Amino acid sequence: AQSVTQLGSHVSVSEGALVLLRCNYSSSVPPYLFWYVQYPNQGLQLLLKYTTGATLVKGINGFEAEFKKSETSFHLTKPSAHMSDAAEYFCAVRVYGNNRLAFGKGNQVVVIP
Amino acid sequence: NAGVTQTPKFRVLKTGQSMTLLCAQDMNHEYMYWYRQDPGMGLRLIHYSVGEGTTAKGEVPDGYNVSRLKKQNFLLGLESAAPSQTSVYFCASSKQGNQPQHFGDGTRLSIL
Repeated sequence: AQSVTQLGSHVSVSEGALVLLRCNYSSSVPPYLFWYVQYPNQGLQLLLKYTTGATLVKGINGFEAEFKKSETSFHLTKPSAHMSDAAEYFCAVRVYGNNRLAFGKGNQVVVIP
Repeated sequence: NAGVTQTPKFRVLKTGQSMTLLCAQDMNHEYMYWYRQDPGMGLRLIHYSVGEGTTAKGEVPDGYNVSRLKKQNFLLGLESAAPSQTSVYFCASSKQGNQPQHFGDGTRLSIL
């Protein structure tokens, strides 16, 4: 079955430093992969997605992710963290055959001034 | 520009009471989903629907029922609320199963 692993429930990053959130997936078929962001007291918003084609995907708010099949990874990065990036981030993979997504447990990002 | 709207936003229930959470979407999406979010657990799928009149079980369906009588609405029912159902509930919709999901702002439910 398709699944997603996100390590480190809480991630602290200094303002202006690189943001790196790791996502590894398991899938027996070519995956569709997503990153979502959740701000306090809100629902999830789509940051970016990979379906087919270019393996480096650019999303909103300066985030990007690279699909690496050999490493079964889809890590999320942003070169320079802003205070407004403080939120929870979820990686998700499409579960082939039953039309739903499997979500990771999330990373809570804290930005230190 | 409503997107996905959840009603109510907050609710406190006593153990054994019943209630229905309403989700409405105005994007003409076929697929709709109900999740619960608990600390350290991420999002877990309760039930979902692939079209009007259809429903299917997700990861954690016990204690919940759903109905999709109209394409734009997806109802989540708790027949006899239990403290273990204290959670934040999110509804989502998507055009197709492999498309991004659009989320509502959640319903915060406490069962005493």
